[in-house]
Amino acid sequence: DAMVIQNPRYQVTQFGKPVTLSCSQTLNHNVMYWYQQKSSQAPKLLFHYYDKDFNNEADTPDNFQSRRPNTSFCFLDIRSPGLGDTAMYLCAIGQGGTGANVLTFGAGSRLTVL
Amino acid sequence: EDKVVQSPLSLVVHEGDTVTLNCSYEVTNFRSLLWYKQEKKAPTFLFMLTSSGIEKKSGRLSSILDKKELFSILNITATQTGDSAVYLCACYSGNTPLVFGKGTRLSVIA
Repeated sequence: DAMVIQNPRYQVTQFGKPVTLSCSQTLNHNVMYWYQQKSSQAPKLLFHYYDKDFNNEADTPDNFQSRRPNTSFCFLDIRSPGLGDTAMYLCAIGQGGTGANVLTFGAGSRLTVL
Repeated sequence: EDKVVQSPLSLVVHEGDTVTLNCSYEVTNFRSLLWYKQEKKAPTFLFMLTSSGIEKKSGRLSSILDKKELFSILNITATQTGDSAVYLCACYSGNTPLVFGKGTRLSVIA
């Protein structure tokens, strides 16, 4: 059974039309991440939550927002998508604390902006 | 700035070949290096390496870390078409979330 569930799996939107991607988890892990992965590139961290503490990467565009209403759910809102936002968006969860951090990923949401 | 560099970026081999994928890193306060396999879906965890010189093995896949020279290799023996994927290397510093390399795209042809 999937432990990290992302919806939708595929989304096509028009330039400037807001999009919301969702992520839910069944493991009750306290850390949740959003990564953006463009074609042939490394996953790039956008945000992460450590419990309720929100951490925004310095180079994440203002166009991108996130919400975590509870431990199980996290949302990525793209307010006015541009063509350059076409990418796979990966949600991941992890256990916080000291030591290594093995992330569990969702299947991803592939966004195409036309 | 932390950096993870993988090579080669892409590789095509025949079934039965052995391949070696490379990952070098420059990470402040390094704690661990992780390998993931990514097919047309989410990355799936393969190995986590924290100590130099100790090989981790799972079936035909094995990996080792060299903390002095700051690199890791992932070996796949007797490759199969099901091994075709992007293999991602990532490093964890304990201070910040995982930093990923660009990945190596492996294609195994029959």
